[in-house]
Amino acid sequence: QLAESGGGLVQAGRSLRVSCAASGFTFGDYAMHWVRQVPGKGLEWVSGIDWNSATTGYADSVKGRFTISRDNARNSLYLQMNSLRAEDTALYYCVKDMSPGPIGTQNGGMDVWGKGTTVTVSS
Amino acid sequence: SYDLNQPPSVSVSPGQTASISCSGDKLGNKYTCWYQHKPGQSPVLVVFQDNQRPSGIPARFSGSNSGNTATLTISGTQAMDEAVYYCQAWDYNTVIFGGGTKLTVL
Repeated sequence: QLAESGGGLVQAGRSLRVSCAASGFTFGDYAMHWVRQVPGKGLEWVSGIDWNSATTGYADSVKGRFTISRDNARNSLYLQMNSLRAEDTALYYCVKDMSPGPIGTQNGGMDVWGKGTTVTVSS
Repeated sequence: SYDLNQPPSVSVSPGQTASISCSGDKLGNKYTCWYQHKPGQSPVLVVFQDNQRPSGIPARFSGSNSGNTATLTISGTQAMDEAVYYCQAWDYNTVIFGGGTKLTVL
């Protein structure tokens, strides 16, 4: 129901955009997130966006470098990653929230996860 | 910044009850979720709003949250429950995950 794409190998300092195609639910009714996992490490929330793109949130580690966006007409979520660093190397999951938002008002959980797309940043 | 602290590992015998804690400042004032993550698979939401189970999650999974500690309880633990479990909460407009607890069923 969530299929990520666009990952790959990129040099440090360069940019990459990952995408997520949603199906099987009304995409425009829910907030969405990107969550990443460095191999062997825990889950780290990267960014979230509410149902109509009115509010967004970012982890401090990516603030000012990453931009989350969505296109409800295309049932798609995006993450534009600029000024990439070696520490951004991770598996990036696209995740559906149980509520529409705004970001910060959610009281549910993240109930649908994609399989992830791998981003590798070489230094 | 807000931190959620989990024990790195918990062990339990099959059929027994496993309890995994998650601590944070005044965590009881926030809603907590729990995710199960098995190797090679995507995480699965097992508890939301402290103690609610999504459809399809077995009744042996339950949660509580009070004071500074949230707890995930797995009653009658089965071998298939072996996984890493993460707690999660919101701090203002930021999502916080705990560091994860490896549950071993032996």
